[in-house]
Amino acid sequence: EAGVTQFPSHSVIEKGQTVTLRCDPISGHDNLYWYRRVMGKEIKFLLHFVKESKQDESGMPNNRFLAERTGGTYSTLKVQPAELEDSGVYFCASSHAAPGLGHEQYFGPGTRLTVT
Amino acid sequence: SQQGEEDPQALSIQEGENATMNCSYKTSINNLQWYRQNSGRGLVHLILIRSNEREKHSGRLRVTLDTSKKSSSLLITASRAADTASYFCATDIKGGSEKLVFGKGTKLTVNP
Repeated sequence: EAGVTQFPSHSVIEKGQTVTLRCDPISGHDNLYWYRRVMGKEIKFLLHFVKESKQDESGMPNNRFLAERTGGTYSTLKVQPAELEDSGVYFCASSHAAPGLGHEQYFGPGTRLTVT
Repeated sequence: SQQGEEDPQALSIQEGENATMNCSYKTSINNLQWYRQNSGRGLVHLILIRSNEREKHSGRLRVTLDTSKKSSSLLITASRAADTASYFCATDIKGGSEKLVFGKGTKLTVNP
């Protein structure tokens, strides 16, 4: 079984540009999560999809971040326009748990975003 | 302050020794998960322990959970150089949306 995959693995962009990160969850996992770790800080939750619906987007830092999961399969996270403080590692995770049960979340390798 | 805080922040031991890492949290949880991250790589899920469980084993890993003290420990027995990594605890808060709240991690170095 393939794990969670993320693309690209690294991205270096200039301030003001747009970047789109992609996450492919484990096949059959309805739950998809985005997290990020900025330098020196802990890993923080961004948002949670159940299939194509946003279950919780309380962690999204501002309206420069847009996440989608059309069709309930892969997800994209767009940052537009990117700012210096957006630099960090963006992780995607997926799980198959029914709501409320809580199961292991399997993480992808992350996308390292550098905004210069 | 953090929901999950690991202790110690860094730990250096010799191969063959046991490594114990602790995690404290503040609010009621559904479960607690431990993850490992090798340098520059993704997070690898190690073990999940539910709030009604007290101890769980997986290979050389032993996890305990004390909900009265809001703490958990991860014990790695007979450590190997390949265990060198950062270890994170993550809590799934009761009444939350199943998002995980991470601590800053413990950086474990196992010297050959």
